[in-house]
Amino acid sequence: EIVMTQSPATLSVSPGERATLSCRASQSVSSNLAWYQQKPGQAPRLLIYGASTRATGIPARLSGSGSGTEFTLTISSLQSEDFAVYYCQQYNNWPRTFGQGTKVEI
Amino acid sequence: EVLLVESGGGLVQPGGSLRLSCAASGFTFSTYAMYWVRQAPGKGLEYVSALSSTGGSTYYANSVKGRFTISRDNSKNTLYLQMGSLRAEDMAVYYCAKDRMGYCSSASCYPADALDIWGQGTMVTVSS
Repeated sequence: EIVMTQSPATLSVSPGERATLSCRASQSVSSNLAWYQQKPGQAPRLLIYGASTRATGIPARLSGSGSGTEFTLTISSLQSEDFAVYYCQQYNNWPRTFGQGTKVEI
Repeated sequence: EVLLVESGGGLVQPGGSLRLSCAASGFTFSTYAMYWVRQAPGKGLEYVSALSSTGGSTYYANSVKGRFTISRDNSKNTLYLQMGSLRAEDMAVYYCAKDRMGYCSSASCYPADALDIWGQGTMVTVSS
């Protein structure tokens, strides 16, 4: 099973600042990596697939990069609606696996 | 509007069974692979199971293999998860989700992509 490790566990930032979230895979997942956002009491929402392609309706201030085992989600200027928990997920191998999440807080 | 609506959650005793349903609308359900993902209270997301578009190929997490069965009825646009031998650690919100694009052959479409549409979830509580 591929282990996905996210860092940091919690990121404290101010509105307007840049946030950088990391995700590391225990073995290569090529570019088969997705990022999801989840707010309290809500279902996850797809942000990024293919490591760097924004999903429909996702603003350009969110960007993904990386391949192989190292991936990054960057939020260039944090807005109030961006404070949430973010998960990475690999879909290169079975079983599919998620990272443990990074909470972005004010 | 693309929509997934789960139902069937509730309170069940350890060792008991429960069947979850996920009703799909707004897209051609029969041409997409589907997933179940769960989230224990206060915890992260955990993949549970996936199913090809025709239902002919199934995939399970080791933690539920042999106890859970995923299936679908394309005539009813509905995905199912039959859960048996339930344990305390199975207690979670269960989400159904749609594979974004998948890999399609002439026979079926297989789960091979990110999850682009999620339902609102249904809570399963395992307790005596």
